[in-house]
Amino acid sequence: QVQLQESGPGLVKPSETLSLTCAVSGYSISSGYYWGWIRQPPGKGLEWIGSIYHSGTIYYNPSLKSRVTISIDTSKNQFSLKLSSVTAADTAVFYCARGSHLELLHYWGQGTLVTVSS
Amino acid sequence: QSALTQPASVSGSPGQSVTISCTGTSSDVGIYNYVSWYQQHPGKAPKLMIYEVSNRPSGVSNHFSGSKSGNTASLTISGLQAEDEADYYCSSFTSTSTVLFGGGTKLTVL
Repeated sequence: QVQLQESGPGLVKPSETLSLTCAVSGYSISSGYYWGWIRQPPGKGLEWIGSIYHSGTIYYNPSLKSRVTISIDTSKNQFSLKLSSVTAADTAVFYCARGSHLELLHYWGQGTLVTVSS
Repeated sequence: QSALTQPASVSGSPGQSVTISCTGTSSDVGIYNYVSWYQQHPGKAPKLMIYEVSNRPSGVSNHFSGSKSGNTASLTISGLQAEDEADYYCSSFTSTSTVLFGGGTKLTVL
């Protein structure tokens, strides 16, 4: 059974960098699939942030591309998200997910709330 | 990139059918059969209900079905049940290798 678990600080100051990690169990991340990040501001809809293919190809949301870095660490079987220069508008629940295609996300983490506030 | 367009809310009585639309453009929904639908209950992670327009993952009830015509995809829920009350989101792959989500539709079972 594939499981994904997000981790990282729940509170980030404005202008700083938000860093999250998604630990994967039950499947070797280097074996295949797309690994993605999606966020959901409180009371609002889902927004795709970006995805990384197991081989290392990365896809970003153009509206966030200048501030986002997604990377993969096969030795730890996890992938990560960095979002720089955050503002209150970046406050959201962040989900990591595994997909057979970029928009086809079969397995999701439980999500982690990150609040941007001083 | 603009989000895909979904109605903000739909409703139906138990046993009835409802359809949720998801309108995109010829650069996303209209060009590929890479459209997925997700169900999200409050405080929970989204759950994949339909993929590639009309395919159901293992374990998803067959009272959920999907279709597409032109730039609009649709999710139909037949035989509404109380537990179907949730938010529903569509997503589509795009011609620039990105993903768009719809704004979400709140389904109320009356």
